[in-house]
Amino acid sequence: TQLLEQSPQFLSIQEGENLTVYCNSSSVFSSLQWYRQEPGEGPVLLVTVVTGGEVKKLKRLTFQFGDARKDSSLHITAAQPGDTGLYLCAGRPRTGRRALTFGSGTRLQVQP
Amino acid sequence: GAGVSQSPSNKVTEKGKDVELRCDPISGHTALYWYRQSLGQGLEFLIYFQGNSAPDKSGLPSDRFSAERTGGSVSTLTIQRTQQEDSAVYLCASSPLLAGQGVYGYTFGSGTRLTVV
Repeated sequence: TQLLEQSPQFLSIQEGENLTVYCNSSSVFSSLQWYRQEPGEGPVLLVTVVTGGEVKKLKRLTFQFGDARKDSSLHITAAQPGDTGLYLCAGRPRTGRRALTFGSGTRLQVQP
Repeated sequence: GAGVSQSPSNKVTEKGKDVELRCDPISGHTALYWYRQSLGQGLEFLIYFQGNSAPDKSGLPSDRFSAERTGGSVSTLTIQRTQQEDSAVYLCASSPLLAGQGVYGYTFGSGTRLTVV
């Protein structure tokens, strides 16, 4: 089983602060996705990264795929209360199971 | 439909009863997935359907769990003889292609919150 570990598990910050969430594995993934989930809803796709070292920006969110395709990070600049939610990384294994493997999640709370 | 639809949204059942959870994926999506999420944690894979291929059942936690997908569309997840540890949110997702290729990801339903008392 290919596991994805996220850190931190919980983060509470003030509006305007910056933060980084990490997603790590000992396994190589062919691609990695980040999702955000709000209470009572299913996760919503934010981004897909495919190439080792790839960096993608989505407004104030910056996503990076590690060079070895074993890890990823999500950086949020000037966090806003609307960024509050559960952030999940999900990797597509190179072999074996064809469904995404999800990380344990990082719960972000941004205080106004 | 416009999105993935799951029903019921909430289900309370007595220990030992059977339950059926329904998922109606986005029309044309060939892949359908069931996951389980406990207490706002990460998602645990249960089962995956892709077109007419045999489903990947490797995530089902016990033989009390089963799922089927009729006509390549609607899917039903059945839990027999429910136990308290089955309490969780059951999420269904669909995708047009294998998730992770290109820009295709999963589109999730809002889930079914199952409580076994």
